[in-house]
Amino acid sequence: SQTIHQWPATLVQPVGSPLSLECTVEGTSNPNLYWYRQAAGRGLQLLFYSVGIGQISSEVPQNLSASRPQDRQFILSSKKLLLSDSGFYLCAWSVTLSGDEQYFGPGTRLTVT
Amino acid sequence: GENVEQHPSTLSVQEGDSAVIKCTYSDSASNYFPWYKQELGKRPQLIIDIRSNVGEKKDQRIAVTLNKTAKHFSLHITETQPEDSAVYFCAATGSYQLTFGKGTKLSVIP
Repeated sequence: SQTIHQWPATLVQPVGSPLSLECTVEGTSNPNLYWYRQAAGRGLQLLFYSVGIGQISSEVPQNLSASRPQDRQFILSSKKLLLSDSGFYLCAWSVTLSGDEQYFGPGTRLTVT
Repeated sequence: GENVEQHPSTLSVQEGDSAVIKCTYSDSASNYFPWYKQELGKRPQLIIDIRSNVGEKKDQRIAVTLNKTAKHFSLHITETQPEDSAVYFCAATGSYQLTFGKGTKLSVIP
């Protein structure tokens, strides 16, 4: 069966510091991968999606970036965090881009101080 | 792109009563409509979904209905229990992604 991992689970970082969040998927090949952000008490905002190694699409302009160095690895990064980057970051995977279930990882709760 | 509206934003029901959450979507090409349940501090979990060639789907106490003509779909929970308390999100496929509603916080009062 498929499993999706995210780490770290929680992170407290000062404004202006860098960020690296990692997501890995097990038990499937060539998944579509997604990064979402969820502000406190809010809905899910799609940040990036990837259909393959090195292929990244961005949904919203921001100071975040994403990379996919391996088939089942998805990384979210920032060079300098802003207070507004605080939130719950969720990685998800699916077999196809649309018309298919998306499964979420356990999430990383990021607090920027 | 796709736009999904979800109502109500909060819903309180007595234990044992039914709960209904409604969503509308804008893209007539959307063909997949999942519902997710998110407990506090946890990841969203897929609880039921429906595709455009089906009008209704049931799984024990949960059912989803789809009206493609009107472009709306609904989640029905019968015989609610305290463990049903959570935030529920609907979603619809756009051209290449799921677009989520803003969520409904359901509280089941014992």
